[in-house]
Amino acid sequence: AQTVTQSQPEMSVQEAETVTLSCTYDTSESDYYLFWYKQPPSRQMILVIRQEAYKQQNATENRFSVNFQKAAKSFSLKISDSQLGDAAMYFCAYRSGFTNNAGNMLTFGGGTRLMVKP
Amino acid sequence: DGGITQSPKYLFRKEGQNVTLSCEQNLNHDAMYWYRQDPGQGLRLIYYSQIVNDFQKGDIAEGYSVSREKKESFPLTVTSAQKNPTAFYLCASSIRTGNSPLHFGNGTRLTVT
Repeated sequence: AQTVTQSQPEMSVQEAETVTLSCTYDTSESDYYLFWYKQPPSRQMILVIRQEAYKQQNATENRFSVNFQKAAKSFSLKISDSQLGDAAMYFCAYRSGFTNNAGNMLTFGGGTRLMVKP
Repeated sequence: DGGITQSPKYLFRKEGQNVTLSCEQNLNHDAMYWYRQDPGQGLRLIYYSQIVNDFQKGDIAEGYSVSREKKESFPLTVTSAQKNPTAFYLCASSIRTGNSPLHFGNGTRLTVT
């Protein structure tokens, strides 16, 4: 079974600075997808960014980018120019690329709480 | 607008009572999921369904039951056999293939006393 680990329970960053959230995963599969979700105090789960394992290029979405290291099984999230609205729980998630394999559910890490200081 | 609706937002029950959480989607997604979230923790999969009339247990299915009689609906029943039912419950849906993400509802906070 796949596992996802987020080793930083809490992180803080100064407004306008850059912060990196860590995520590692364990899998024997070669085809998979990785996601970062944000959960603000409203508790709504919001997709931040996604990465296909077969793509070498790191995904970017505006101020959010990832550092995907497939060999190291690492998938960190970088938030540039941090804003107060970025304060939230961030979850890393793994999804198998084999659609016949027990559905397409996500396996989540334990989350990192990000605080943004004004 | 397309989306996932979970109701109610807050639910209170006495210990020993079964309770059903509603989840409806109009995204025409085949797959639907139920996750449980405890304070300060990640999401754990309870049940999932890839097609109508079929569903599979997730990692923590004990004490829960589901049905999938319609594509749009995937209700979750928390039975009296669930030892620690107080939690935040999230329903999600997706298409079955590719890198499509899960779309989540706004969740139901269940408190059992």
